[in-house]
Amino acid sequence: SQQGEEDPQALSIQEGENATMNCSYKTSINNLQWYRQNSGRGLVHLILIRSNEREKHSGRLRVTLDTSKKSSSLLITASRAADTASYFCANRISNTGTASKLTFGTGTRLQVTL
Amino acid sequence: DVKVTQSSRYLVKRTGEKVFLECVQDMDHENMFWYRQDPGLGLRLIYFSYDVKMKEKGDIPEGYSVSREKKERFSLILESASTNQTSMYLCASSQNRGTEAFFGQGTRLTVV
Repeated sequence: SQQGEEDPQALSIQEGENATMNCSYKTSINNLQWYRQNSGRGLVHLILIRSNEREKHSGRLRVTLDTSKKSSSLLITASRAADTASYFCANRISNTGTASKLTFGTGTRLQVTL
Repeated sequence: DVKVTQSSRYLVKRTGEKVFLECVQDMDHENMFWYRQDPGLGLRLIYFSYDVKMKEKGDIPEGYSVSREKKERFSLILESASTNQTSMYLCASSQNRGTEAFFGQGTRLTVV
C-alpha cells in the first residue's frame, strides 16, 4: 500500500491557537494535497503543493513539503471552532500513460474548543 | 460548481446480494475514483478510471468491480456483498492527473 500517515491521529486545541498536522508518504509524488472532512460528509480540497515547491499559503493555511524526507505539514493559524474536522493529506502519483493514483493518509481529527 | 453525486446516502443490503453504487459528475472530468473509509484506516482506494472503459485497480480491489461506460458515470459493483464490506464509500472525480479531486457526499453501506 502507498497509503501515507498523518500525525497526530487526534489533536485538541483552544480557539485562537495554531494547529499543526504532519503527513508522511512512501513514494515519489507529483503533488501533495490536503483535504478536510466534516463529520460523515465528503472531503473538500484545501490546498495543493507541487513536488518542486517547498511552501505554500492560502488564507490561514500554510503547507510545507520536504521531498527528501517524504513529509508535509499543514499549519492552521488562529484556529476557530468551525475548523473542527478531520484533515487528510493525499499524494498524486503518476503511473504509466495517463493513469494517476490519488492516495490518502489516515487523517488527523482536529477538535477546536471555545 | 462541480457536482459529484452518489446515488444513495444510506444503503442496507443482505449478504450475498449484488450491490451497485452509482456516481455521476457534471464537469467532464477524465479521472474518477472509488474509496472506502473505515475508522482508523483513512481512505483506501478501491478502483480508479482515467477514461471511458478504462480502469485500474487501487490498493484494495478484491471483492469489487467497476464500470465506466460513459464519461460522467462511474459505478462500483459488489458482486456478492459480505459483512466486511460494510463501510462508507466515497466517489471522487478530477480534471486530470495533477489537479484537486471533488468528492460526493458518500454512501454508508451496511451489509447484514
